[in-house]
Amino acid sequence: DADVTQTPRNRITKTGKRIMLECSQTKGHDRMYWYRQDPGLGLRLIYYSFDVKDINKGEISDGYSVSRQAQAKFSLSLESAIPNQTALYFCATSGRVGPSTDTQYFGPGTRLTVL
Amino acid sequence: AQSVTQLGSHVSVSEGALVLLRCNYSSSVPPYLFWYVQYPNQGLQLLLKYTSAATLVKGINGFEAEFKKSETSFHLTKPSAHMRDAAEYFCAVSARWGNEKLTFGTGTRLTIIP
Repeated sequence: DADVTQTPRNRITKTGKRIMLECSQTKGHDRMYWYRQDPGLGLRLIYYSFDVKDINKGEISDGYSVSRQAQAKFSLSLESAIPNQTALYFCATSGRVGPSTDTQYFGPGTRLTVL
Repeated sequence: AQSVTQLGSHVSVSEGALVLLRCNYSSSVPPYLFWYVQYPNQGLQLLLKYTSAATLVKGINGFEAEFKKSETSFHLTKPSAHMRDAAEYFCAVSARWGNEKLTFGTGTRLTIIP
Protein backbone atom coordinates (compact mmCIF):
# COMPACT_ATOMS: atom_id res chain seq x y z
CA ASP A 1 0.00 0.00 0.00
CA ALA A 2 1.12 3.54 -0.74
CA ASP A 3 2.55 5.53 2.17
CA VAL A 4 0.90 8.80 1.05
CA THR A 5 -2.54 8.64 -0.50
CA GLN A 6 -4.65 11.36 -2.02
CA THR A 7 -8.36 11.40 -2.79
CA PRO A 8 -9.83 11.98 -5.25
CA ARG A 9 -7.26 11.37 -7.98
CA ASN A 10 -9.25 13.35 -10.51
CA ARG A 11 -12.00 15.92 -10.05
CA ILE A 12 -13.92 18.16 -12.39
CA THR A 13 -15.99 20.89 -10.81
CA LYS A 14 -17.65 24.18 -11.64
CA THR A 15 -16.76 27.72 -10.71
CA GLY A 16 -18.02 28.66 -7.27
CA LYS A 17 -18.21 25.14 -5.88
CA ARG A 18 -16.50 24.13 -2.64
CA ILE A 19 -13.95 21.36 -3.07
CA MET A 20 -12.00 19.33 -0.55
CA LEU A 21 -8.89 17.33 -1.38
CA GLU A 22 -7.76 14.80 1.17
CA CYS A 23 -4.37 13.40 2.06
CA SER A 24 -3.54 10.52 4.36
CA GLN A 25 -0.18 9.07 5.31
CA THR A 26 1.01 5.95 7.06
CA LYS A 27 4.64 7.03 7.44
CA GLY A 28 4.15 8.39 10.96
CA HIS A 29 5.47 11.78 9.89
CA ASP A 30 4.66 14.97 11.77
CA ARG A 31 5.02 17.32 8.83
CA MET A 32 2.64 17.60 5.91
CA TYR A 33 2.51 19.90 2.90
CA TRP A 34 0.23 20.87 0.03
CA TYR A 35 1.65 21.97 -3.33
CA ARG A 36 0.17 22.81 -6.68
CA GLN A 37 1.94 22.09 -9.95
CA ASP A 38 1.37 24.14 -13.07
CA PRO A 39 3.15 23.61 -16.39
CA GLY A 40 6.31 25.70 -16.55
CA LEU A 41 5.99 26.85 -12.95
CA GLY A 42 7.15 23.78 -11.03
CA LEU A 43 5.67 23.12 -7.60
CA ARG A 44 4.54 25.92 -5.36
CA LEU A 45 3.77 25.56 -1.67
CA ILE A 46 0.19 26.32 -0.61
CA TYR A 47 0.15 25.39 3.08
CA TYR A 48 2.26 23.34 5.44
CA SER A 49 1.83 21.88 8.90
CA PHE A 50 4.63 20.84 11.23
CA ASP A 51 2.24 19.20 13.67
CA VAL A 52 -1.48 19.02 14.34
CA LYS A 53 -1.62 22.45 16.01
CA ASP A 54 0.85 24.19 13.72
CA ILE A 55 -0.43 25.33 10.31
CA ASN A 56 1.33 27.86 8.12
CA LYS A 57 0.68 29.63 4.87
CA GLY A 58 2.93 28.96 1.91
CA GLU A 59 3.66 31.23 -1.00
CA ILE A 60 0.23 30.91 -2.69
CA SER A 61 -2.36 30.38 0.06
CA ASP A 62 -5.00 32.86 -1.17
CA GLY A 63 -8.22 31.06 -2.08
CA TYR A 64 -7.28 27.93 -0.11
CA SER A 65 -7.71 26.67 3.43
CA VAL A 66 -6.50 23.55 5.21
CA SER A 67 -7.41 21.33 8.11
CA ARG A 68 -5.08 18.99 10.00
CA GLN A 69 -7.59 16.54 11.46
CA ALA A 70 -4.97 14.20 12.86
CA GLN A 71 -1.27 13.52 12.51
CA ALA A 72 -2.00 11.34 9.50
CA LYS A 73 -4.57 13.53 7.72
CA PHE A 74 -4.27 16.91 6.04
CA SER A 75 -7.07 18.30 3.88
CA LEU A 76 -7.01 21.15 1.40
CA SER A 77 -10.19 23.10 0.65
CA LEU A 78 -11.09 25.48 -2.11
CA GLU A 79 -13.97 27.50 -0.65
CA SER A 80 -15.16 28.83 -4.00
CA ALA A 81 -13.28 27.29 -6.88
CA ILE A 82 -12.20 29.41 -9.83
CA PRO A 83 -10.77 28.31 -13.20
CA ASN A 84 -7.20 29.43 -12.44
CA GLN A 85 -7.14 26.88 -9.63
CA THR A 86 -7.10 24.18 -12.29
CA ALA A 87 -3.86 22.34 -11.55
CA LEU A 88 -2.25 19.18 -10.26
CA TYR A 89 -2.19 19.13 -6.46
CA PHE A 90 0.33 17.17 -4.41
CA CYS A 91 0.46 16.29 -0.77
CA ALA A 92 3.84 15.54 0.81
CA THR A 93 5.12 14.48 4.22
CA SER A 94 8.41 14.58 6.08
CA GLY A 95 9.63 13.37 9.44
CA ARG A 96 10.83 15.42 12.40
CA VAL A 97 13.38 12.93 13.70
CA GLY A 98 15.64 10.35 12.14
CA PRO A 99 18.07 10.39 9.23
CA SER A 100 15.61 11.57 6.59
CA THR A 101 14.03 14.59 8.20
CA ASP A 102 14.97 16.65 5.15
CA THR A 103 13.30 14.34 2.61
CA GLN A 104 9.72 14.90 1.52
CA TYR A 105 7.60 11.99 0.31
CA PHE A 106 4.90 12.77 -2.22
CA GLY A 107 1.47 11.39 -2.90
CA PRO A 108 0.33 10.51 -6.44
CA GLY A 109 -1.44 13.82 -6.98
CA THR A 110 -4.99 15.05 -7.59
CA ARG A 111 -5.80 16.52 -10.97
CA LEU A 112 -8.41 19.26 -10.45
CA THR A 113 -10.25 20.96 -13.29
CA VAL A 114 -12.45 23.97 -12.58
CA LEU A 115 -14.83 24.81 -15.41
CA ALA B 1 15.40 33.10 1.19
CA GLN B 2 16.21 30.35 -1.27
CA SER B 3 15.60 29.87 -4.96
CA VAL B 4 16.69 27.56 -7.75
CA THR B 5 17.01 28.07 -11.47
CA GLN B 6 16.85 25.16 -13.87
CA LEU B 7 18.36 25.99 -17.23
CA GLY B 8 16.41 24.43 -20.05
CA SER B 9 12.78 23.46 -19.67
CA HIS B 10 13.26 20.69 -22.25
CA VAL B 11 16.34 18.56 -22.86
CA SER B 12 16.63 15.80 -25.45
CA VAL B 13 19.45 13.25 -25.55
CA SER B 14 20.03 10.09 -27.51
CA GLU B 15 19.84 6.74 -25.77
CA GLY B 16 23.30 5.94 -24.42
CA ALA B 17 24.43 9.59 -24.39
CA LEU B 18 25.38 11.69 -21.39
CA VAL B 19 22.55 13.33 -19.49
CA LEU B 20 23.26 16.76 -17.99
CA LEU B 21 20.50 18.73 -16.29
CA ARG B 22 21.51 22.09 -14.87
CA CYS B 23 20.52 23.63 -11.56
CA ASN B 24 21.82 26.79 -9.93
CA TYR B 25 20.73 27.85 -6.50
CA SER B 26 20.59 30.96 -4.40
CA SER B 27 20.52 30.75 -0.64
CA SER B 28 21.29 33.15 2.19
CA VAL B 29 22.18 30.22 4.46
CA PRO B 30 23.95 26.90 3.82
CA PRO B 31 21.59 24.87 1.69
CA TYR B 32 20.31 21.37 1.38
CA LEU B 33 19.81 20.50 -2.30
CA PHE B 34 17.63 17.86 -3.89
CA TRP B 35 16.74 16.35 -7.23
CA TYR B 36 13.31 14.82 -7.63
CA VAL B 37 11.97 12.93 -10.64
CA GLN B 38 8.37 12.77 -11.82
CA TYR B 39 7.41 9.98 -14.19
CA PRO B 40 4.24 10.44 -16.25
CA ASN B 41 1.08 10.44 -14.16
CA GLN B 42 2.99 9.91 -10.93
CA GLY B 43 4.07 11.90 -7.91
CA LEU B 44 7.61 13.07 -7.23
CA GLN B 45 10.29 10.65 -6.15
CA LEU B 46 13.61 11.60 -4.55
CA LEU B 47 16.60 10.91 -6.80
CA LEU B 48 19.34 12.23 -4.54
CA LYS B 49 20.15 14.90 -1.99
CA TYR B 50 23.07 16.94 -0.75
CA THR B 51 23.08 17.56 3.00
CA SER B 52 26.62 18.80 3.66
CA ALA B 53 28.44 15.49 3.58
CA ALA B 54 30.25 14.50 0.35
CA THR B 55 29.93 17.05 -2.42
CA LEU B 56 29.51 14.32 -5.05
CA VAL B 57 26.21 12.65 -4.37
CA LYS B 58 25.11 9.40 -5.92
CA GLY B 59 21.44 8.64 -6.31
CA ILE B 60 19.15 6.01 -7.69
CA ASN B 61 19.06 4.78 -11.29
CA GLY B 62 22.69 5.76 -11.97
CA PHE B 63 22.27 9.50 -11.44
CA GLU B 64 24.69 11.68 -9.55
CA ALA B 65 25.12 15.36 -8.79
CA GLU B 66 27.97 17.51 -7.58
CA PHE B 67 27.58 20.41 -5.17
CA LYS B 68 29.85 23.28 -6.24
CA LYS B 69 29.65 26.13 -3.79
CA SER B 70 31.87 28.43 -5.86
CA GLU B 71 29.51 28.08 -8.82
CA THR B 72 26.30 27.79 -6.72
CA SER B 73 25.45 24.79 -8.83
CA PHE B 74 24.07 21.29 -8.32
CA HIS B 75 23.91 19.78 -11.80
CA LEU B 76 22.49 16.30 -12.35
CA THR B 77 24.32 13.83 -14.58
CA LYS B 78 24.07 10.28 -15.82
CA PRO B 79 26.76 8.79 -18.07
CA SER B 80 24.42 6.82 -20.33
CA ALA B 81 20.76 7.66 -20.88
CA HIS B 82 18.14 4.94 -20.96
CA MET B 83 14.63 5.14 -22.37
CA ARG B 84 13.20 4.75 -18.87
CA ASP B 85 14.86 8.02 -17.82
CA ALA B 86 12.29 10.01 -19.78
CA ALA B 87 10.56 12.10 -17.13
CA GLU B 88 10.44 15.55 -15.61
CA TYR B 89 13.21 16.47 -13.18
CA PHE B 90 12.99 19.05 -10.43
CA CYS B 91 15.79 20.65 -8.48
CA ALA B 92 14.88 21.93 -5.01
CA VAL B 93 16.56 23.79 -2.16
CA SER B 94 15.92 24.19 1.55
CA ALA B 95 17.77 25.84 4.40
CA ARG B 96 20.15 23.55 6.22
CA TRP B 97 18.55 24.26 9.55
CA GLY B 98 15.44 25.80 11.02
CA ASN B 99 13.23 26.14 7.98
CA GLU B 100 12.76 22.88 6.10
CA LYS B 101 10.44 24.17 3.40
CA LEU B 102 11.45 23.15 -0.09
CA THR B 103 11.62 25.64 -2.92
CA PHE B 104 11.40 23.97 -6.32
CA GLY B 105 12.72 24.93 -9.70
CA THR B 106 10.42 25.02 -12.69
CA GLY B 107 11.47 21.60 -13.91
CA THR B 108 13.26 20.10 -16.91
CA ARG B 109 11.53 17.60 -19.14
CA LEU B 110 13.98 14.98 -20.37
CA THR B 111 13.25 13.22 -23.64
CA ILE B 112 15.29 10.21 -24.74
CA ILE B 113 15.73 9.70 -28.47
CA PRO B 114 15.94 6.04 -29.51
